[in-house]
Amino acid sequence: AQSVTQPDIHITVSEGASLELRCNYSYGATPYLFWYVQSPGQGLQLLLKYFSGDTLVQGIKGFEAEFKRSQSSFNLRKPSVHWSDAAEYFCAVDITSGTYKYIFGTGTRLKVLA
Amino acid sequence: DVKVTQSSRYLVKRTGEKVFLECVQDMDHENMFWYRQDPGLGLRLIYFSYDVKMKEKGDIPEGYSVSREKKERFSLILESASTNQTSMYLCASRRTGEGNQPQHFGDGTRLSIL
Repeated sequence: AQSVTQPDIHITVSEGASLELRCNYSYGATPYLFWYVQSPGQGLQLLLKYFSGDTLVQGIKGFEAEFKRSQSSFNLRKPSVHWSDAAEYFCAVDITSGTYKYIFGTGTRLKVLA
Repeated sequence: DVKVTQSSRYLVKRTGEKVFLECVQDMDHENMFWYRQDPGLGLRLIYFSYDVKMKEKGDIPEGYSVSREKKERFSLILESASTNQTSMYLCASRRTGEGNQPQHFGDGTRLSIL
């Protein structure tokens, strides 16, 4: 069955430090992959997406993600974290194939220390 | 910019009541979705609609129904609210087509059932 795993429930980093959030998926074909961010009390905002081509994709707010087919991973990175990046981050796989459905990971909550 | 508007940010209802959650999108998207979000469980799909008057059950449809009479509006109905339906509800919309079309989310409705 298709699944998305975000192994880290909580991550704490210091402001200015680098960040990597992990996402692994289980899906037979090359999926469409997304990262979303959710600030407290808000909906989800799209950070970036991958569907083909260059495996390193750039997103908004200085984020990037790398698709690694051999590892079934799509990790999110940022070289220098800002306090405003504190939020919950969700990885999602689109398994449309006629079903129009996303599978979401359970999220990683990021805390940023001043 | 895509705008997905959920009618209420916070809602308090009593058990047994019939509850309506409304969602409107302004980008003529064909697909619309209702999710509930609970801590540790991520987002779970309740229902989705791929066109007017069309609907499909998601992963947790029990206790819910939906209505899509107009393209821009997708309503979630709790037929007889129960305390285990206390949750954050998120609506999303998406243009139909290949899986690289992202879902756009509203700000959510935090529903409490007393």
